[in-house]
Amino acid sequence: GQQLNQSPQSMFIQEGEDVSMNCTSSSIFNTWLWYKQDPGEGPVLLIALYKAGELTSNGRLTAQFGITRKDSFLNISASIPSDVGIYFCAGNSGGSNYKLTFGKGTLLTVNP
Amino acid sequence: NAGVMQNPRHLVRRRGQEARLRCSPMKGHSHVYWYRQLPEEGLKFMVYLQKENIIDESGMPKERFSAEFPKEGPSILRIQQVVRGDSAAYFCASSPRQQETQYFGPGTRLLVL
Repeated sequence: GQQLNQSPQSMFIQEGEDVSMNCTSSSIFNTWLWYKQDPGEGPVLLIALYKAGELTSNGRLTAQFGITRKDSFLNISASIPSDVGIYFCAGNSGGSNYKLTFGKGTLLTVNP
Repeated sequence: NAGVMQNPRHLVRRRGQEARLRCSPMKGHSHVYWYRQLPEEGLKFMVYLQKENIIDESGMPKERFSAEFPKEGPSILRIQQVVRGDSAAYFCASSPRQQETQYFGPGTRLLVL
């Protein structure tokens, strides 16, 4: 099946620092999505990307759909304590436009 | 507009019992998806349903697991004769149409003793 490699697995940063995480796939993806999951909750959609090369921002978050369609990155600028959580990349590929494949997540810890 | 609702939020079962997980999609959404999340893992697709129809159940174990989305009422994920390996968080997502973004519920944490 499809696999997404998400890195890094975890990050420990100081408040105010910028953060970058990325996902790569062995196959072409049609859609890239970035979700955040807080403990005990479900994933919340942060950014959705639908076209190769697309660069989209949502407040302090910026994500890009790689030109090769096999990767995506998420940047968080000027991190704050409430950015703490697990960030997942997800996407769909091939003939399925609904079956999302998820990365294993990046655990972000922000030290005030 | 209420989000996706799931209940119960936590469920404890002994081996051999049945687990029933419920999901009410967002208003106006007729497409429901179930995912399972094991500890420290990403979510894994299980099944995709529209009202009264199972569209794709390729990610669901062939035995003991079943899902439905009746004309009236919530979608149900049913696990019969649970085993310890079924312990996981089960998430439901919904969308208004097949290609549209999926919005997730808070999940049901199942613990099998």
